Amino acid sequence: AQSVTQPDIHITVSEGASLELRCNYSYGATPYLFWYVQSPGQGLQLLLKYFSGDTLVQGIKGFEAEFKRSQSSFNLRKPSVHWSDAAEYFCAVGATGGSYIPTFGRGTSLIVHP
Amino acid sequence: DAMVIQNPRYQVTQFGKPVTLSCSQTLNHNVMYWYQQKSSQAPKLLFHYYDKDFNNEADTPDNFQSRRPNTSFCFLDIRSPGLGDAAMYLCATSREGRSYEQYFGPGTRLTVT
Repeated sequence: AQSVTQPDIHITVSEGASLELRCNYSYGATPYLFWYVQSPGQGLQLLLKYFSGDTLVQGIKGFEAEFKRSQSSFNLRKPSVHWSDAAEYFCAVGATGGSYIPTFGRGTSLIVHP
Repeated sequence: DAMVIQNPRYQVTQFGKPVTLSCSQTLNHNVMYWYQQKSSQAPKLLFHYYDKDFNNEADTPDNFQSRRPNTSFCFLDIRSPGLGDAAMYLCATSREGRSYEQYFGPGTRLTVT
């Protein structure tokens, strides 16, 4: 079965600074990978996804993520954070050869200081 | 716009009083999910429908039931809510063959008094 780890519970950055949120997965083959964002009191919104091909994927709101097979990682990045990016971020992994139910990480809370 | 809609957005119920949360979708997706999310935690899958086939997670309490009368609608019934059932309830959909990409509704915040 697949699993996903988000090692950082909270990340604090200053507005305008760069951001990297970490995600590590465990799966025997190349998985499907997702990043979702959840603003307070809202549902989850898909930021970006990786299925195959180019390992650097671009998403909405200026986010990107890079799939690194050797490190089993799929870290989310943004070059310049805006105050509106403050939210909870969830990494999720889907098994390509098994259950279609994705597994979510526990989330990373992003705090943005002015 | 195609979307996932949840009603109500906020629900207050009394301890032990049955409550129903609803979800509708205009995406025509064949898979629908119900998640429970407590504060600062990942969403926890309660059950899902693959078309009309109901799939219950092993650790979902019997207190939680679901109905899917047609492709567009899905309901979550909590037969006797306890204080521990206070949470955000998220409905999501996905389409077979789309590699598990999920579309979420805004959620229903359930308070149990």
